[in-house]
Amino acid sequence: QVQLVQSGAEVKKPGSSVKVSCKASGDTFINYPMSWVRQAPGQGLEWMGRIIPLREKPNYAQKFQGRVTISADRSTSTAFMELSSLRSEDTAIYYCAYITGSTIDYWGQGTLVTVSS
Amino acid sequence: DIQMTQSPSSVSASVGDRVTITCRASQGISSWLAWYQQKPGKAPKLLIYAVSSLQSGVPLRFSGSGSGTEFTLTISSLQPEDFATYYCQQANSFPYTFGQGTKLEIK
Repeated sequence: QVQLVQSGAEVKKPGSSVKVSCKASGDTFINYPMSWVRQAPGQGLEWMGRIIPLREKPNYAQKFQGRVTISADRSTSTAFMELSSLRSEDTAIYYCAYITGSTIDYWGQGTLVTVSS
Repeated sequence: DIQMTQSPSSVSASVGDRVTITCRASQGISSWLAWYQQKPGKAPKLLIYAVSSLQSGVPLRFSGSGSGTEFTLTISSLQPEDFATYYCQQANSFPYTFGQGTKLEIK
């Protein structure tokens, strides 16, 4: 059974950065694409980007290009999402998820990032 | 970017009702269409993938159909646990995009 366990909630100042981690269990980590999706309070789901750990090259949504860095550490089966130049509009729950377009679909529990002065 | 437009944005229905949610893509997405259910405070749960394939463990009252740019999710007989928000999502091309969501409420 695949499990994705994310790091805990964060409170950040505007202009700072946040790095959220997502540790995967099982041997699926290397081959499956790991996406990051966020959800602002009361809002819908927004895909930010993804990485296939075996290939290491991430794909980003244009909206976040230049501000987001998605990476993976194969030795610990952990993916990371770092978002910089934070603003209040970045307050959201951030999810890591295996989204493959197939039956392989697993989500982390979500990490609340609050941006506030 | 491919825009995914769901309708309606919200719907009120009763237990036992049949409900259909529509999702329209701004361009063709082949069969790369999924439906998710989300309950408050929880991560989304995959219901349907590849337009009409039922995810393991999902009740048979859920079904998906469509092609090209028009897709539907149907719940044949609503159960109390089905009241939630539903999202369509395309994985045909980057960036993956979600519909704005349909909130299914108890009448």
